[in-house]
Amino acid sequence: RKEVEQDPGPFNVPEGATVAFNCTYSNSASQSFFWYRQDCRKEPKLLMSVYSSGNEDGRFTAQLNRASQYISLLIRDSKLSDSATYLCVVTDYSSASKIIFGSGTRLSIRP
Amino acid sequence: NAGVTQTPKFRVLKTGQSMTLLCAQDMNHEYMYWYRQDPGMGLRLIHYSVGEGTTAKGEVPDGYNVSRLKKQNFLLGLESAAPSQTSVYFCASSFHGTSSGGNTIYFGEGSWLTVV
Repeated sequence: RKEVEQDPGPFNVPEGATVAFNCTYSNSASQSFFWYRQDCRKEPKLLMSVYSSGNEDGRFTAQLNRASQYISLLIRDSKLSDSATYLCVVTDYSSASKIIFGSGTRLSIRP
Repeated sequence: NAGVTQTPKFRVLKTGQSMTLLCAQDMNHEYMYWYRQDPGMGLRLIHYSVGEGTTAKGEVPDGYNVSRLKKQNFLLGLESAAPSQTSVYFCASSFHGTSSGGNTIYFGEGSWLTVV
């Protein structure tokens, strides 16, 4: 079983739709969680951190469920520019090598 | 702002050749990383460094060597390239490897390597 698992998609949704992704992790000692965005043939870039209480950044909402060991990303009122691959990142404090990236979920927004 | 810079961006190697990828960061970060990204596999850590003069193995270190002689530079070497090393290589850096406040990892633009 992979340490971090994501639905690879692709998710193909119309502009203006709401879309949600989940990411599950296996290491219960994980302590920091992030969502990164990666455009085609580009480097990953931080989208947002995920806090225990949940957090929102504009149209994006991230949630953490420690009991079930998953994090989620909700995108409201999706834009064409949201088309990208979204990577889930899970870390613990014990080692820099414990920064684990998911394989990513591909999102395609259609006009 | 340069951030994290990788060279070269593209390279084609013949099996058995050696080469070095150079990563430079101007953010005074302590931690630096080399990842490879293959379709369906996500980012996998090759080697990392927690400071000048230190290196450590990641998830997939075989066939690669690294050096961190200066804080701002992290070199990735392929000793004898194999077709299985065809991949996109990303260098990254961060201020601390881990922190309670969360920590942003900054990536270079990637190096596309093909081994034939």
